[in-house]
Amino acid sequence: GDSVTQMEGPVTLSEEAFLTINCTYTATGYPSLFWYVQYPGEGLQLLLKATKADDKGSNKGFEATYRKETTSFHLEKGSVQVSDSAVYFCALSDPNTNAGKSTFGDGTTLTVKP
Amino acid sequence: EADIYQTPRYLVIGTGKKITLECSQTMGHDKMYWYQQDPGMELHLIHYSYGVNSTEKGDLSSESTVSRIRTEHFPLTLESARPSHTSQYLCASSEGGNQETQYFGPGTRLLVL
Repeated sequence: GDSVTQMEGPVTLSEEAFLTINCTYTATGYPSLFWYVQYPGEGLQLLLKATKADDKGSNKGFEATYRKETTSFHLEKGSVQVSDSAVYFCALSDPNTNAGKSTFGDGTTLTVKP
Repeated sequence: EADIYQTPRYLVIGTGKKITLECSQTMGHDKMYWYQQDPGMELHLIHYSYGVNSTEKGDLSSESTVSRIRTEHFPLTLESARPSHTSQYLCASSEGGNQETQYFGPGTRLLVL
């Protein structure tokens, strides 16, 4: 079945550092790929998404490119801020398999220090 | 901003009590979900629904039950709470089709003593 593997955390960075959180997936169909973010005390919210190969999703300085050849969707940001401290989840969804349910990675906790 | 609500936000109860966690959305989404989130932050799907009168068990076995009598409402019930039910519960909805973005509520943090 479908699965998502993301970089284990926690990740601790200094402000203005470059961020990469790796995400790879296994899917039988042609899924859409997502990054969600969860701030302390809140639910998840969509950060960005890509629906087909070579698409790039971007939002709030974060970006990720759908790489079908490497089955990856790595999250990057050029200069992190303290306010980016949160848990980040990679996810996939394929409406044609798994009844359209989303499959989530285990989450990566990011802490940015001033 | 998504319009999905959960109540209560925090709940502390004794063992053996019956509880209902409320979840409502005003987006008209057909699909709704309940997740249990453990301290390691992993999400486990425990129930989902694809529309009124449709409910299915998720990937993680749960002693809770759900109902879907109205599109906007998807409550989760524990008939007899136990300390092992202590967790954070997240409700979500999606509009379906090819997008499948999920919109999450703020969560209910449950502590069973």
